[in-house]
Amino acid sequence: DGGITQSPKYLFRKEGQNVTLSCEQNLNHDAMYWYRQDPGQGLRLIYYSQIVNDFQKGDIAEGYSVSREKKESFPLTVTSAQKNPTAFYLCASSKGTTYNEQFFGPGTRLTVL
Amino acid sequence: AQKVTQAQTEISVVEKEDVTLDCVYETRDTTYYLFWYKQPPSGELVFLIRRNSFDEQNEISGRYSWNFQKSTSSFNFTITASQVVDSAVYFCAPSGGYNKLIFGAGTRLAVHP
Repeated sequence: DGGITQSPKYLFRKEGQNVTLSCEQNLNHDAMYWYRQDPGQGLRLIYYSQIVNDFQKGDIAEGYSVSREKKESFPLTVTSAQKNPTAFYLCASSKGTTYNEQFFGPGTRLTVL
Repeated sequence: AQKVTQAQTEISVVEKEDVTLDCVYETRDTTYYLFWYKQPPSGELVFLIRRNSFDEQNEISGRYSWNFQKSTSSFNFTITASQVVDSAVYFCAPSGGYNKLIFGAGTRLAVHP
């Protein structure tokens, strides 16, 4: 089955620790995205990548980092510099970069203890 | 800058009622796309529809229909004969250039038996 997987589903982290969220897709999509969702709010774009080995900052990139070494994978690292990292993180992908619909993974809920 | 307003924060209906979710957007782009997504309690966003700014025909898909009015910058979504499984948060998302989506806070729909 084609789709997007994110792991883990729930993640707990101590303050001051970096943590990496996994996102894998087997849809052969070129573009991938990371969003953050806080309770009762919409999604905000963290980073996006249109092609392998290239990525751009979204609206709230501070305290996050990404890599895109493979087409299928777009991991997100939440660093200790992110002041309020507790949130729901959603990964998405799309066929191209021109107005195509984005397909989303099941999300990772990160809680900082 | 692009912006979307979903004025209805929460809507509660009884099963089989029709319900309309409002969406008003702002954009300076002459070409743009509009999307609707559904977020059920599981958290994963589900793509519902994509509409380009040049196509003002209404669209119907089963119990779902969309009314696009470019003159009033609105793209409203109607569910006919609502069902409990329609309970979710619904997001209207205009494109924000180069395949970025702009999400508002969404409308939470609760359908009661």
